Amino acid sequence: ETGVTQTPRHLVMGMTNKKSLKCEQHLGHNAMYWYKQSAKKPLELMFVYNFKEQTENNSVPSRFSPECPNSSHLFLHLHTLQPEDSALYLCASSQVGGGPTNEKLFFGSGTQLSVL
Amino acid sequence: DQQVKQNSPSLSVQEGRISILNCDYTNSMFDYFLWYKKYPAEGPTFLISISSIKDKNEDGRFTVFLNKSAKHLSLHIVPSQPGDSAVYFCAASGGSNYKLTFGKGTLLTVNP
Repeated sequence: ETGVTQTPRHLVMGMTNKKSLKCEQHLGHNAMYWYKQSAKKPLELMFVYNFKEQTENNSVPSRFSPECPNSSHLFLHLHTLQPEDSALYLCASSQVGGGPTNEKLFFGSGTQLSVL
Repeated sequence: DQQVKQNSPSLSVQEGRISILNCDYTNSMFDYFLWYKKYPAEGPTFLISISSIKDKNEDGRFTVFLNKSAKHLSLHIVPSQPGDSAVYFCAASGGSNYKLTFGKGTLLTVNP
C-alpha cells in the first residue's frame, strides 16, 4: 500500500464516547500532521510530529489527544467531543529538511466525523 | 488574522476556457507557495508549487504566477476540463517555519 491511509473513513459518535482515528504513511517521511477541515474555513493545523516528537500543538482542546508511536503511525484519540467538533480530520505527512521543495504535504483521504 | 486569503469561494467556467484562481498573502516571510486540489471525500493532493525566486512555473495545463510586490499568486488552468472541478487550496510557507498556511479554498466548477 502506498501513500497516506486513514481509518475509519466515516465516524459517528456521541458526546460521551471515546474513539480513535488512525493514520499510517508509507512514504518514509519524518513528519506527520493532523489537520481539521470545517465548512468554509481554511485547513486548521492541529498537531505536528517531527521524528515522533510533538513539535506543535495549535491550542487544541484536551479532548483531542494525539499519539505518535513511530514515524509511520499517528493516532488521534477523541473523548467527550462537542457537536462543533464535527468536521473532516485529515492526516498528512512530509519530509522535513532539505529545503522547501521537500516540504509538500501528502494527505490521507480523511475521516468525516459527526458528533451527535 | 488570515495570512493566506482566497477571496472567491467559487468559480464557474466553460470547458475549454481558462480558469484563473487567485490567492493573496500578507506574510512577507512566505517564500514557497503551493496549490492543492481536493475532490469530495478525498484528501487534498499537491498540484503545483512556486518558489519566491521565480515568477512563473508551468506544468502542463497548469501555470502558477507569483507577484511578490503585490503578494499575490494565481493559478491558471488552460484549457479547463470537467475533471478539474474541485476545491483548490492555496498554501504558503516561509522563513524557518516549514509549516504550511492554507487559504479557505475556491470551488471550481467546469461546465461541459
